Amino acid sequence: DAGVTQSPTHLIKTRGQHVTLRCSPISGHKSVSWYQQVLGQGPQFIFQYYEKEERGRGNFPDRFSARQFPNYSSELNVNALLLGDSALYLCASSIREYNEQFFGPGTRLTVL
Amino acid sequence: DQQVKQNSPSLSVQEGRISILNCDYTNSMFDYFLWYKKYPAEGPTFLISISSIKDKNEDGRFTVFLNKSAKHLSLHIVPSQPGDSAVYFCAATTGRRALTFGSGTRLQVQP
Repeated sequence: DAGVTQSPTHLIKTRGQHVTLRCSPISGHKSVSWYQQVLGQGPQFIFQYYEKEERGRGNFPDRFSARQFPNYSSELNVNALLLGDSALYLCASSIREYNEQFFGPGTRLTVL
Repeated sequence: DQQVKQNSPSLSVQEGRISILNCDYTNSMFDYFLWYKKYPAEGPTFLISISSIKDKNEDGRFTVFLNKSAKHLSLHIVPSQPGDSAVYFCAATTGRRALTFGSGTRLQVQP
């Protein structure tokens, strides 16, 4: 069975650019959450979506947005990239919003 | 403000011995706690969890203890194996939604 998949694996952008990260949940999972992990820290919650609706949002600026599609895959968008946005972006899926979360391998974003 | 803290960035133990990883939290609304293990280039993998109504949960070599009055939890690994070498994250949640993670402890099990 395929786990959570994320694309791309690595990404290099420059300041001010826009980036889109993609996540495909485990089959049958209807909830997707996004986390940002800066080097040396634990993952920090960004968004949670369930059945295409936003169910939670962490303390991130409006430059960060996300959406969930009818097939339950999800995109995380970040506008006007800053150097501080360089991090590992993790996607996690769960059957429903209250269930155990399974993480993907992450997308490593480097902003130059 | 760090609501979940792992004060030991690293821990080294001998194979076969006990590994004890500690975690403290400040938010009394947390009602569910989890431990994740993370290898390089992989996402965190769920290890074990405990509800706030319990004080202990066991799963094979892994046991999590929760002390609500002290707002402290710990993960015991007995016996430790070289394959356990990884970064361990403590996480907490209210209503099993968004996870709040600690900064992680790197465990090295020496053969």
